[in-house]
Amino acid sequence: SAVISQKPSRDICQRGTSLTIQCQVDSQVTMMFWYRQQPGQSLTLIATANQGSEATYESGFVIDKFPISRPNLTFSTLTVSNMSPEDSSIYLCSALQEISKDTQYFGPGTRLTVL
Amino acid sequence: GDSVTQMEGPVTLSEEAFLTINCTYTATGYPSLFWYVQYPGEGLQLLLKATKADDKGSNKGFEATYRKETTSFHLEKGSVQVSDSAVYFCALSPNTGNQFYFGTGTSLTVIP
Repeated sequence: SAVISQKPSRDICQRGTSLTIQCQVDSQVTMMFWYRQQPGQSLTLIATANQGSEATYESGFVIDKFPISRPNLTFSTLTVSNMSPEDSSIYLCSALQEISKDTQYFGPGTRLTVL
Repeated sequence: GDSVTQMEGPVTLSEEAFLTINCTYTATGYPSLFWYVQYPGEGLQLLLKATKADDKGSNKGFEATYRKETTSFHLEKGSVQVSDSAVYFCALSPNTGNQFYFGTGTSLTVIP
């Protein structure tokens, strides 16, 4: 299995600012994903982070609001831009390994509160 | 399209009670099925999985059997503990493409 870490684990931010969340995997993975989990809700896929190219966004999510980078096979960042209180959520990074390609492994999440 | 429907919560049980959390799915192909658990303040952890019909996934006393005839993957545990208190998510991977489909989650509280 892949072990995934995220930084920061939590943050409290002011409206209008931006926060970048980092995701680090302990081994090379084929796919990396970013999810949002709003309070008391299930997971919503934001985008697939593609190595060396632009991320693939799901309906309702745009690059200007959630820019994503993936410079190599073990690292990705998600930026939440121009934040509003509606962005208060848990943001989760996940990854698929080649060897167990049907199983997603998740990071511990970043709990974001926007005031 | 593919989807997962999960039993509504919250569920409250006494310690040592029997647990069932229902999960049914809709899929056009031959998906893999998963249960993930999220303990308070943490991310999701894979609890168990099954990749084909009649497979049984098991871990930590939890079991789920992939039933193609009823399109179900119900989670069961014979005797729950206080430490099992968490949110449980049923999930589906269609094995084509990268999309993963999650249920809405079921919150379980086990009281001593």
